[in-house]
Amino acid sequence: GAGVSQSPRYKVAKRGQDVALRCDPISGHVSLFWYQQALGQGPEFLTYFQNEAQLDKSGLPSDRFFAERPEGSVSTLKIQRTQQEDSAVYLCASSLMWDTQYFGPGTRLTVL
Amino acid sequence: GQQVMQIPQYQHVQEGEDFTTYCNSSTTLSNIQWYKQRPGGHPVFLIQLVKSGEVKKQKRLTFQFGEAKKNSSLHITATQTTDVGTYFCEDYGGSQGNLIFGKGTKLSVKP
Repeated sequence: GAGVSQSPRYKVAKRGQDVALRCDPISGHVSLFWYQQALGQGPEFLTYFQNEAQLDKSGLPSDRFFAERPEGSVSTLKIQRTQQEDSAVYLCASSLMWDTQYFGPGTRLTVL
Repeated sequence: GQQVMQIPQYQHVQEGEDFTTYCNSSTTLSNIQWYKQRPGGHPVFLIQLVKSGEVKKQKRLTFQFGEAKKNSSLHITATQTTDVGTYFCEDYGGSQGNLIFGKGTKLSVKP
């Protein structure tokens, strides 16, 4: 595709629900990153994939957060038992390797 | 842990004035990437700085990496209303290092 796409663009969840956020990186990009951006803050790193391998998940805030990229292309970030503090924009970025990161439009998650 | 600090948090300028945002770290930065995020948008890559003392220019934008690789700056000459947005720096450490964004500098430009 022309760029990184993410779906859904907006998600409203009731506290305690599970959500799944999808990222379609640029075709051929090896590296894929997930970030969480709270209102008025900079993006905070969550996790990184190189192809299908999750090489760094040190930024995941709790064990309720899980990410996968089983075939080395599309990635899914799953949040179980959502809490209000999970409300944020979730950004996905991809890069060829370790160069320019191209960000998707993000998914705005609101937990009520 | 390591923090990447950006100052100022906000900057209001008159169109035509210059603007500078600074990115500082207490530890040595790996590589610096600069991004611009428009209101409601996503970060858009501007530049990557790798070498100590490096200076790169993009039209009215000048990017510098400090000699000790502990700070970086972005300078915009003669701001325009299209420059409005939040500018972020990121310590981009590669597969062995950090991926840490600063909190950003929000620029507003009065026509």
